[in-house]
Amino acid sequence: DAGVTQSPTHLIKTRGQQVTLRCSPKSGHDTVSWYQQALGQGPQFIFQYYEEEERQRGNFPDRFSGHQFPNYSSELNVNALLLGDSALYLCASSLAGLNPSNQPQHFGDGTRLSIL
Amino acid sequence: AQSVAQPEDQVNVAEGNPLTVKCTYSVSGNPYLFWYVQYPNRGLQFLLKYITGDNLVKGSYGFEAEFNKSQTSFHLKKPSALVSDSALYFCAVRALLSGANNLFFGTGTRLTVIP
Repeated sequence: DAGVTQSPTHLIKTRGQQVTLRCSPKSGHDTVSWYQQALGQGPQFIFQYYEEEERQRGNFPDRFSGHQFPNYSSELNVNALLLGDSALYLCASSLAGLNPSNQPQHFGDGTRLSIL
Repeated sequence: AQSVAQPEDQVNVAEGNPLTVKCTYSVSGNPYLFWYVQYPNRGLQFLLKYITGDNLVKGSYGFEAEFNKSQTSFHLKKPSALVSDSALYFCAVRALLSGANNLFFGTGTRLTVIP
C-alpha cells in the first residue's frame, strides 16, 4: 500500500523563477492538502483540493496555486519565487468521507525547495 | 481563530524515564487534536488523535496523550522513553466549528532521549 509520494525530493531555483511540485496521495484517499514548513517552524497550511477544486486556502498569496487531477494527484505551483519561499513543502492526503475533520492526514516526505 | 502552543523548544529525558511533551490550544468550539512526529529529512507521521470520549488517548509506539478541557491542554506522554523516540514532535488542532478541515500546527518540540 503506497503512501503519499512527492517529487522531486530536492529542488534549487533562483528568484523570479517558477516551480511545480507534485504529489500522489495515499491509495484510497481523495483529498490533498499542501503545507509549507520553514526551517525551525511548524507546517503552515497553503490550500486543500477535493474533487479537483480548491476547497480551502490558507494565508498565502496568489503566487501559490494548485491543481488536482481526476486520479486525485495534485500539483503545487509557485510563481515569481522569493528567497522566503525556501522551505520544505509537504503534501498530505486524507479521505473526505462522512467525517473529514476527524480523519488524520497522511504526509509525504516533502520537497525541499531552495531559492538562491 | 485557532492556535497551538508548544512552550518547550527542547525536551531532554534519560532513556527509560517517562517523557512529557506539552501542548496547549485555543479554538472556537470542540477541538480535534493530533500529535505528529517528524524524523530528520522525513515528513510527518501520525501518532494519535483526540476527537471525543475518553480523555486519555493511546497511539502508536507506546505514546499516549491526555486531553484536559479546563486547561485546554493535550500533553503527549510515554511511560518509558527510548533513544529511537528522539525526533521533532508537533501538536496540531483542527476546528470543526469553522468548517475547516486543515490542521494548525505548533512550532514543534525537539525531544532528545539520552542513553
